[in-house]
Amino acid sequence: EVQLLESGGGLVQTGGSLRLSCAASGFTFSSYAMTWVRQAPGKGVEWVSSLTDSGGTTHYADSVKGRFTISRDNPKNTLYLQMNSLRAEDTAIYYCAKLYASSPGGSDFWGQGTLVTVSS
Amino acid sequence: DIVMTQTPLSLSVTPGQPASISCKSTQSLLHRNGKTYLYWYLQKPGQSPQLLIYEVSSRFSGVPDRFSGSGSGTDFTLKISRVEAEDVGVYYCMQGINLPRTFGQGTKVEIK
Repeated sequence: EVQLLESGGGLVQTGGSLRLSCAASGFTFSSYAMTWVRQAPGKGVEWVSSLTDSGGTTHYADSVKGRFTISRDNPKNTLYLQMNSLRAEDTAIYYCAKLYASSPGGSDFWGQGTLVTVSS
Repeated sequence: DIVMTQTPLSLSVTPGQPASISCKSTQSLLHRNGKTYLYWYLQKPGQSPQLLIYEVSSRFSGVPDRFSGSGSGTDFTLKISRVEAEDVGVYYCMQGINLPRTFGQGTKVEIK
């Protein structure tokens, strides 16, 4: 059974940093591209960042480019999102998601999310 | 960026009745490989989104056959043939042809 468990969220001051983790199990983690997506309270869904199975290629939304860094540790089956220079508008639930191998434009499994609150 | 527009934004449906959600994109989602990268997700209350439909009309594993997707190019539709109580939540379309991936605003489905 595929499981994705996010952690690392919490309350942080404007301008601060957090590192989110996503522990994966139930599939061969090193074979799949992964994604971070976020959802502000009561709002819709926003793609944040993706990286390839090897971690060699990364992509970012313009809203986080230069502030967030996605990475992975394949031997540890873990995905990360380093978030720096946090702003109030970064407040959201952050989900990690696994690329759907049969249709690589989308994700087939999402974690339950971790809440990041940025406040002054 | 590709903009995804869903209508309606909310829907109240009697159990057993059909429901339909429209999703339009500002660019064609047809890839040169012949596949169209349009996805539908359902976010049930208090849960993360779950994949329902991929590539316009293919149901993901375990998704009931009362859910169906159709469309092409820039115009797509999700249909629920007979709505059940467990179908409540917010439905999102998403394009998977370009980065950044973009989602529709969501359509909230509730039961009358």
